[in-house]
Amino acid sequence: EVQLQQSGAELVKPGASVKLSCKTSGYTFSNYYMSWLKQMPGQNIEWIGNIYGGNGGTGYNQKFKGKATLTVDKSSSTAYMDLSSLTSEDSAVYFCARETFGGWFAYWGQGTLVTVSS
Amino acid sequence: DVQMTQSPYNLAASPGESVSINCKASKSISKYLAWYQQKPGKANKLLIYDGSTLQSGIPSRFSGSGSGTDFTLTIRSLEPEDFGLYYCQQHNEYPWTFGGGTKLELK
Repeated sequence: EVQLQQSGAELVKPGASVKLSCKTSGYTFSNYYMSWLKQMPGQNIEWIGNIYGGNGGTGYNQKFKGKATLTVDKSSSTAYMDLSSLTSEDSAVYFCARETFGGWFAYWGQGTLVTVSS
Repeated sequence: DVQMTQSPYNLAASPGESVSINCKASKSISKYLAWYQQKPGKANKLLIYDGSTLQSGIPSRFSGSGSGTDFTLTIRSLEPEDFGLYYCQQHNEYPWTFGGGTKLELK
């Protein structure tokens, strides 16, 4: 069974950084892309970018370049996303989702709530 | 970026009824549209991809249609577990983009 287990909620101060994790199981991590997505309260879902589990190759939505950095640890089948210089606009739920080669998402993590507040 | 516009924003229906949710792309995306269901406390669920292909394990009361810029998700004979948020997503070109969502509520 494919599972994506995301790290717990974060409360961070403005200007700080945070690193979110997405631990996977039930499939061959290196054979798939992992995407990260953002959903602000009551808003639609935005695609941040993706990373290939095999070689760590990345692709980013231009909107999130400089804000998000995606990495993987193949040894633990875990994907990570670093968010930097946080502001209130970064307060949101962040999802990881396994991306098919067709571009849709068949498996999602449960989401991680990030709250940016002093 | 391809802009995705969903309608209606809210939809109220009763179990047993049929409903349709629309999604319009700002330019042609061929058949490359996916639909998801979102419910509190549960992982987002893929329903449909490639416009009309039902994801494995999804009941046949869900169906998708359309191509180009206009797409529809139809749910026939609503079940109580179908109420929630629905999103469309174009998977024709990067960056992937989503519609604003439709809230399907119990009437």
